[in-house]
Amino acid sequence: EIVLTQSPATLSLSPGERATLSCRASQSVSSYLTWYQQKPGQAPRLLIYDASNRATGIPARFSGSGSGTDFTLTISSLEPEDFAVYYCQQRSNWPWTFGQGTKVEIK
Amino acid sequence: EVQLLESGGALVQPGGSLRLSCAASGFTFSSYAMTWVRQAPGKGLEWVSAINNGGGSTYYADSVKGRFTISRDNSKNTLYLQMNSLRAEDTAVYYCAKDAIAVAARFDYWGQGTLVTVSS
Repeated sequence: EIVLTQSPATLSLSPGERATLSCRASQSVSSYLTWYQQKPGQAPRLLIYDASNRATGIPARFSGSGSGTDFTLTISSLEPEDFAVYYCQQRSNWPWTFGQGTKVEIK
Repeated sequence: EVQLLESGGALVQPGGSLRLSCAASGFTFSSYAMTWVRQAPGKGLEWVSAINNGGGSTYYADSVKGRFTISRDNSKNTLYLQMNSLRAEDTAVYYCAKDAIAVAARFDYWGQGTLVTVSS
């Protein structure tokens, strides 16, 4: 199965700062990479699909890039509501797999 | 408004069985693929199983293959997960999620989750 490795495990930043999250696949997943946000006690929320497409209602400060094995989720200027855990997921090969998550916490 | 409501979570002994349900409303259920994702306490997300809109194609994580069965009843707008031979490592909150298009892992709506605890 394809292993997704997210880094860093935790990102400590202040509101207004730029967040850069990485997701690396153990083999190419083309552009079949999705990003989700999860806040404590809540279900995940779809952010980005097919590596770079924002889902409906997602603010423009969220952007995704990459293809093949290396992907990045960027939050251009952190808002208080953006502090959460972020997961990447691949749909290139069965079984679908998630990364272990990156926690973005308030510094 | 799209709503997904899971039910059926419970405390069950190792080796036991459980069936989870996910009642869907607010969209044409029969037009969309559905999936189950789980999250062990304090851990990350794990994709479990997916089913296409008609129910004819199913997919499973290696960790549950042969033990879990996903199904759907489009006449009842309900998704199911039959879980047999349960193990302690199956303990998790189980979420059902709607796929935005076909079987594409673009989960645009999620339920609130139901807790399955496997313990003696």
